[in-house]
Amino acid sequence: DTAVSQTPKYLVTQMGNDKSIKCEQNLGHDTMYWYKQDSKKFLKIMFSYNNKELIINETVPNRFSPKSPDKAHLNLHINSLELGDSAVYFCASSQVDRLSLPNEQFFGPGTRLTVL
Amino acid sequence: AQKVTQAQTEISVVEKEDVTLDCVYETRDTTYYLFWYKQPPSGELVFLIRRNSFDEQNEISGRYSWNFQKSTSSFNFTITASQVVDSAVYFCALKVANDYKLSFGAGTTVTVRA
Repeated sequence: DTAVSQTPKYLVTQMGNDKSIKCEQNLGHDTMYWYKQDSKKFLKIMFSYNNKELIINETVPNRFSPKSPDKAHLNLHINSLELGDSAVYFCASSQVDRLSLPNEQFFGPGTRLTVL
Repeated sequence: AQKVTQAQTEISVVEKEDVTLDCVYETRDTTYYLFWYKQPPSGELVFLIRRNSFDEQNEISGRYSWNFQKSTSSFNFTITASQVVDSAVYFCALKVANDYKLSFGAGTTVTVRA
């Protein structure tokens, strides 16, 4: 059983298009994240939702909009795609424990986005 | 602000050699968590270990061991008797209490040659 799943795994699209990446976790976690990994493998947080509430919103262009319909899903919509958006996007989830301390994050397989 | 430095960009070893990956972190928080993740060529990110700032015990898991030293702000990772399957990018990460995000180091690419 896949713990954190993302679709699609690969996404090739033209500049200017709008696209979405979906993420689902079946771990019962209450917090989900989006990370971007660039061509040099550097990983950076983009967004995080806790119980469907946005708690992290790093300096990301507003062309990127996360949506969390429920605790198990966090989707990422990107408008007007640009060449620089080409990267691998990882979804992750974690559970905040009784002391309100977030635990380790479990990552999805990644979505490789290529903008032509 | 938090910062994680993995000074080694790439390490290449021959099978059965030991390899140690360095990780140095910076934070003003007294409660924090350190992590190691592995990213094999297939691309997924695999959680390896979490260490709390108040627990300086070193840990061994099979051929993997971790050395946490608060005095030097380091959390180093050693692979003993490396195998080809250990070839991957290894990331060290830091999270402070009351902050949800992970701050990752730049990663160290380990190549184990047969």
